[in-house]
Amino acid sequence: RKEVEQDPGPFNVPEGATVAFNCTYSNSASQSFFWYRQDCRKEPKLLMSVYSSGNEDGRFTAQLNRASQYISLLIRDSKLSDSATYLCVVKNTGGFKTIFGAGTRLFVKA
Amino acid sequence: SQTIHQWPATLVQPVGSPLSLECTVEGTSNPNLYWYRQAAGRGLQLLFYSVGIGQISSEVPQNLSASRPQDRQFILSSKKLLLSDSGFYLCAWSPGTAYEQYFGPGTRLTVT
Repeated sequence: RKEVEQDPGPFNVPEGATVAFNCTYSNSASQSFFWYRQDCRKEPKLLMSVYSSGNEDGRFTAQLNRASQYISLLIRDSKLSDSATYLCVVKNTGGFKTIFGAGTRLFVKA
Repeated sequence: SQTIHQWPATLVQPVGSPLSLECTVEGTSNPNLYWYRQAAGRGLQLLFYSVGIGQISSEVPQNLSASRPQDRQFILSSKKLLLSDSGFYLCAWSPGTAYEQYFGPGTRLTVT
């Protein structure tokens, strides 16, 4: 089993749609969680950190469920500019190891 | 604000040639530094990380090496490149172990 698993997609959605991505992790001692977006042939950019209480940044909402060991990202009112690959990232307790999921590809169409 | 630089942006090298990629960070002190590789269509693989000058940890055994000669400089090297070394090399920094990482623009390496 991979340490971090994501649905590879692609997700094809129309503008204005709501889309949700899930990510599961295998190490219950994982400490920190993040969502990044990566545009084609570009570096990953931090989208948001994921806190235990859940957090929201504009149209984006991230949630963490430690009991079930999954993280989610919800994008509301999708824009064409949201088209990208979304990476789930997990950092383990006490170490520097950062594990990136393979990413979920999103296409938003007009 | 903090800035991370990587060069070159693209590189084409023959098999067996040496490699040196450089990464520098501005606007912060004593950052954690990381080197990643992303093969085409694949996820990111952590290669090396460093918590201070001269302190390098390797995640994956390979023909690559890393050095940190200065606080905000991280160098990735190879004595002899293999075809399998082709990929997108990304340098990243973070303010601490549990914190988010910020990536440089990357170097796209093609070994021919």
